[in-house]
Amino acid sequence: NAGVTQTPKFRVLKTGQSMTLLCAQDMNHEYMYWYRQDPGMGLRLIHYSVGEGTTAKGEVPDGYNVSRLKKQNFLLGLESAAPSQTSVYFCASSYTRAREYEKLFFGSGTQLSVL
Amino acid sequence: DQQVKQNSPSLSVQEGRISILNCDYTNSMFDYFLWYKKYPAEGPTFLISISSIKDKNEDGRFTVFLNKSAKHLSLHIVPSQPGDSAVYFCAARRAGNMLTFGGGTRLMVKP
Repeated sequence: NAGVTQTPKFRVLKTGQSMTLLCAQDMNHEYMYWYRQDPGMGLRLIHYSVGEGTTAKGEVPDGYNVSRLKKQNFLLGLESAAPSQTSVYFCASSYTRAREYEKLFFGSGTQLSVL
Repeated sequence: DQQVKQNSPSLSVQEGRISILNCDYTNSMFDYFLWYKKYPAEGPTFLISISSIKDKNEDGRFTVFLNKSAKHLSLHIVPSQPGDSAVYFCAARRAGNMLTFGGGTRLMVKP
């Protein structure tokens, strides 16, 4: 059982380049999320999705776009990378049953450096 | 403005002793609280949670205490083991909203 899988695990970009982070989950979860983790800042929500075809902004959405074309996949895009987007990115998913959707299942993360 | 704060970035404890990790929050509308544990190069994993209608929840060596009047929760690990060495995040939820995470506390349990 793979759970939540993120690709790539590491990436180095130059300022202005674009890339897409891929997230796949095999638990049939409705909710999916993208977080970034920065030292001392904890995990901050970038975008999330409550179902196939839906997306919503989180706490720090600027500079990112997302798509949820299939229930099992959630893509995070950076159109023009900036050094401030250097971070560790985590994808997560969860159920929608009452009191269950807070229990997030996380991928292992993507370390992104923007030079 | 961080609504969930973990004021201790790190904590060192001797194996077998108690570890106490603290978390403060400012939003009185939070009604559900969770702790996540994160090892290096891995994603966070759910550890334990507590509803705002309770003041204590226990799961094996892990106990979470909630003091609503002080807007404070704590995670107790007894006895601490070297395998507990990790970063611990507390998180809080307001009904209808997504989780808000604290900055994390790195726990080191020395053999």
